[in-house]
Amino acid sequence: DAGVIQSPRHEVTEMGQEVTLRCKPISGHNSLFWYRQTMMRGLELLIYFNNNVPIDDSGMPEDRFSAKMPNASFSTLKIQPSEPRDSAVYFCASRKEESYNEQFFGPGTRLTVL
Amino acid sequence: AQKVTQAQTEISVVEKEDVTLDCVYETRDTTYYLFWYKQPPSGELVFLIRRNSFDEQNEISGRYSWNFQKSTSSFNFTITASQVVDSAVYFCGIYSGAGSYQLTFGKGTKLSVIP
Repeated sequence: DAGVIQSPRHEVTEMGQEVTLRCKPISGHNSLFWYRQTMMRGLELLIYFNNNVPIDDSGMPEDRFSAKMPNASFSTLKIQPSEPRDSAVYFCASRKEESYNEQFFGPGTRLTVL
Repeated sequence: AQKVTQAQTEISVVEKEDVTLDCVYETRDTTYYLFWYKQPPSGELVFLIRRNSFDEQNEISGRYSWNFQKSTSSFNFTITASQVVDSAVYFCGIYSGAGSYQLTFGKGTKLSVIP
């Protein structure tokens, strides 16, 4: 079985540019999570989708960040405009139905905003 | 609110030594789930184990073992006869409460195994 797939793996962009990160969850998983990892703040949950519906986006730092899940097999996290402080590793994770199940993480996208 | 504390920021051991990574959690819920994840230098997060609050049995998987003690709110992770491939950052995490989705992680412990 393929795991969670994220693209791109690395992104370098200039301040002010739009960045789109992509995620394909594991087939059959109905929950999807976007996390951000930095040295200062560790792993932070940005947004949680259940059955393609955003349930909790309280972790999204600002209006510059937006996430969508148009169907069960695809999600995007967009930053517009990007800023240097957005530089981080962004992880997507998915999970099966039951709330106590473990989350499976993708390989992450390392974003650098110059 | 739930919280996980991994007091050890970094640990270095020589290959073949045993090492224990500490994890202390806080929650007001009686139902909760504890996790360990490994993040090797390549960056991905790898699931290692899940334990629910009603099961205090210790678990062993090869060189890995986990000690869950509700009395001290701890879920410690021991690697026996460590190997260089064990070098990674290890995260402890918790879900708590019915229907919970918020997986709260500790800050992680960086383990370096020296050949």
